[in-house]
Amino acid sequence: AQSVTQLDSQVPVFEEAPVELRCNYSSSVSVYLFWYVQYPNQGLQLLLKYLSGSTLVKSINGFEAEFNKSQTSFHLRKPSVHISDTAEYFCAVSGTGGGNKLTFGTGTQLKVEL
Amino acid sequence: DTEVTQTPKHLVMGMTNKKSLKCEQHMGHRAMYWYKQKAKKPPELMFVYSYEKLSINESVPSRFSPECPNSSLLNLHLHALQPEDSALYLCASSEGTGYTGELFFGEGSRLTVL
Repeated sequence: AQSVTQLDSQVPVFEEAPVELRCNYSSSVSVYLFWYVQYPNQGLQLLLKYLSGSTLVKSINGFEAEFNKSQTSFHLRKPSVHISDTAEYFCAVSGTGGGNKLTFGTGTQLKVEL
Repeated sequence: DTEVTQTPKHLVMGMTNKKSLKCEQHMGHRAMYWYKQKAKKPPELMFVYSYEKLSINESVPSRFSPECPNSSLLNLHLHALQPEDSALYLCASSEGTGYTGELFFGEGSRLTVL
């Protein structure tokens, strides 16, 4: 079984400032890692994912995350946030053996202020 | 625009009512999911259908009854619900049956049980 820890429930940040949302996972097997974003009153959208290969993965809107196996982390970063980035961000993990079970973290509310 | 369509967007029902939530996708995905999301919480997996067959039931009470009439449609039949069942119900689909790919979520059906 896998588990995900997002220690920060809320992260306030000013517009154009950098941000890091932390995610740590626990698993006895190899994992796939994901970040999903949920805007108010909407479903979840995949932001980025790590399956294999390069440990640094990037999204089209400027976010990036780095898979660190030794620290069992997959932190999400953006060098300069925008008001439109205000949303709930969920880190998620699944075992590479499949089975359709994705485990979500408790989420981090990113609030970007002017 | 989301490619997973859920209806209705909002539903209010009494504890003795019978209602259904509907989900439709036309991406040719072979796996479909129901998640339940309470406010300020991550989504919780309820059911998974793979190739139109129920593959995962996360010990969901029998007052929730899923149905997959064909590869594009997923229903969730509701009967004799409790107030604590009030939540956002999210439908999702994925191309395959392993978590190597992206989950596509609908915008959800917000259910209130009186």
